[in-house]
Amino acid sequence: EVQLVQSGAQVKKTGESLRISCKGSGYNFTNFLISWVRQMPGKGLEWMGRIDPSDSFTRYRTSSQGHVTISVDKSATTAYLVWNSLKDSDNGIYYCARHRDGIRFDPWGQGTLVIV
Amino acid sequence: QSALTQPASVSGSPGQSITISCTGTSSDVGAYDYVSWYQHHPGKAPKIIIYDVTQRPSGVSDRFSASKSDNRASLTISGLQAEDEADYYCCSYVRGVTWVFGGGTKVTVL
Repeated sequence: EVQLVQSGAQVKKTGESLRISCKGSGYNFTNFLISWVRQMPGKGLEWMGRIDPSDSFTRYRTSSQGHVTISVDKSATTAYLVWNSLKDSDNGIYYCARHRDGIRFDPWGQGTLVIV
Repeated sequence: QSALTQPASVSGSPGQSITISCTGTSSDVGAYDYVSWYQHHPGKAPKIIIYDVTQRPSGVSDRFSASKSDNRASLTISGLQAEDEADYYCCSYVRGVTWVFGGGTKVTVL
């Protein structure tokens, strides 16, 4: 079964750093892009950026560029979303999702709640 | 990268049909046949219900159907059931291997 399992909820202070993870299993991890999608409190889904695990090439939403970093550890079949300095506006639920055919998001991780 | 436009809420009685619209631009919805739809029950992982504008993944009820015309996509839920009450998001591929979501539509079963 293809699964993405995310790390648990985090409570941090503004200015602190944070790394959340998304571990893939049940498939060849390097064959599929992974995206991160956020949901701010009371708001809709917003695509943040994606990574190609085969070569770590990334693309970001303009507003995410420079504030977060997406990375992977191929040996651990895990993708990461990293903040160097959290802001109040980073509160929300963060989902990772695999791009099944390079396009559609399927499946999704269970989400990681970030409280700043 | 502005969000696609969806109605904030749509409601219907059990058994009825409802349609959710998703309006984009000639750079996203109108440019590619890569519109997908996701069902999201709060507290759970979103679930894909439509991809490539009209395709239903295995295991998704045939009560869900979708279409696209120019810059506007639509999702129809037929035979509305209580379990369909959720948030629904459209999503379009955008040039440069990036994506944009709609603002989401809350479906209420009366």
